[in-house]
Amino acid sequence: GAGVSQSPRYKVAKRGQDVALRCDPISGHVSLFWYQQALGQGPEFLTYFQNEAQLDKSGLPSDRFFAERPEGSVSTLKIQRTQQEDSAVYLCASSTIGAGAFFGQGTRLTVV
Amino acid sequence: GDSVTQMEGPVTLSEEAFLTINCTYTATGYPSLFWYVQYPGEGLQLLLKATKADDKGSNKGFEATYRKETTSFHLEKGSVQVSDSAVYFCALSYSGNTPLVFGKGTRLSVIA
Repeated sequence: GAGVSQSPRYKVAKRGQDVALRCDPISGHVSLFWYQQALGQGPEFLTYFQNEAQLDKSGLPSDRFFAERPEGSVSTLKIQRTQQEDSAVYLCASSTIGAGAFFGQGTRLTVV
Repeated sequence: GDSVTQMEGPVTLSEEAFLTINCTYTATGYPSLFWYVQYPGEGLQLLLKATKADDKGSNKGFEATYRKETTSFHLEKGSVQVSDSAVYFCALSYSGNTPLVFGKGTRLSVIA
């Protein structure tokens, strides 16, 4: 497709379970971003890749969160031992210089 | 650090009313400024942007002017429609290819 694709759209996880969220960016976009959006709030930055290099992971809330983009295209955000406070919408965006960021529809994670 | 402050919502207007959503920012440098819109059930979409002081971004009848002296980027539309009902986010970034810093969002409801 032409846009940023995220899967799954919805994920329910039991507390303590590991989850993996996938992002397929727009083809050719060098930069890829992950954001976390809590209910009623604006997106909060988690981490950022340029090609396969993770340039900034300062927004990851704990060492349970891990992101990778091994071939500079698809990215996976992994959350280990999920907690209730991890419940949020996880947004992926890709961009190229001058074009602005294009967002996927997000993955809504609910930890029960 | 950098931050964005938006007026609290929700904002409820009648069709054809004038819209203003206030946005101010705090930045250490000279960022680009953006308005994103999130329609119900959809992902974030770039509405308009401005890259330097006094630039005016416009799209779909919406406009916003980058005011360095007041550190503001207020969103305006002369005549809103029911289809404009959505959540609007003000954001900033540097070079357009670095992580976005978002405001909390303002929900707009337009009634016929």
